[in-house]
Amino acid sequence: AQSVTQPDIHITVSEGASLELRCNYSYGATPYLFWYVQSPGQGLQLLLKYFSGDTLVQGIKGFEAEFKRSQSSFNLRKPSVHWSDAAEYFCAVGPTDKLIFGTGTRLQVFP
Amino acid sequence: GAGVSQTPSNKVTEKGKYVELRCDPISGHTALYWYRQSLGQGPEFLIYFQGTGAADDSGLPNDRFFAVRPEGSVSTLKIQRTERGDSAVYLCASSLTSSWGEQYFGPGTRLTVT
Repeated sequence: AQSVTQPDIHITVSEGASLELRCNYSYGATPYLFWYVQSPGQGLQLLLKYFSGDTLVQGIKGFEAEFKRSQSSFNLRKPSVHWSDAAEYFCAVGPTDKLIFGTGTRLQVFP
Repeated sequence: GAGVSQTPSNKVTEKGKYVELRCDPISGHTALYWYRQSLGQGPEFLIYFQGTGAADDSGLPNDRFFAVRPEGSVSTLKIQRTERGDSAVYLCASSLTSSWGEQYFGPGTRLTVT
């Protein structure tokens, strides 16, 4: 069965520090992969997506993610975190027209 | 431009009652999706419309849940005989096409069943 695992429930970083959020998926073929961000009271916003091609994808707000087939991973990274990045981050896989989400990672940013 | 809107933003109802949740997608978007997000969980797929028809309703948990999109734009999610376990945030998303168009999410409707 398709599934997404986000092993870190809660991460705390200092402003200006680098960030990596982990995502592992289970799927029988090459998946379509997504990262979404959810701020309080806001809808989910797409940060970036991977369909095919270059395994390093760039997204909005300075985020990037790397697809590693051998590790079934699609980790999200940012070189320098801003206080406004504090939010809930969801990884999702879309083998069909219905996204399967992980349980999310809550990011807290200290000044 | 206007994004996906959902009404009401909050709904409190008693166990056993019937509720309707409304979603207004982005104008021109042919695909519409409903998800349910329980506390501490990621969104869970419920149903997907392409135009007026439900292309995939495999995520609806049981026959108390039903959704319609009669004119291919606004959609209504209907829940009969609500149970406390139905309490969650119900999210709606739309996309320009179903062929991996980016899904744009609304802010959700928080449903509380007492």
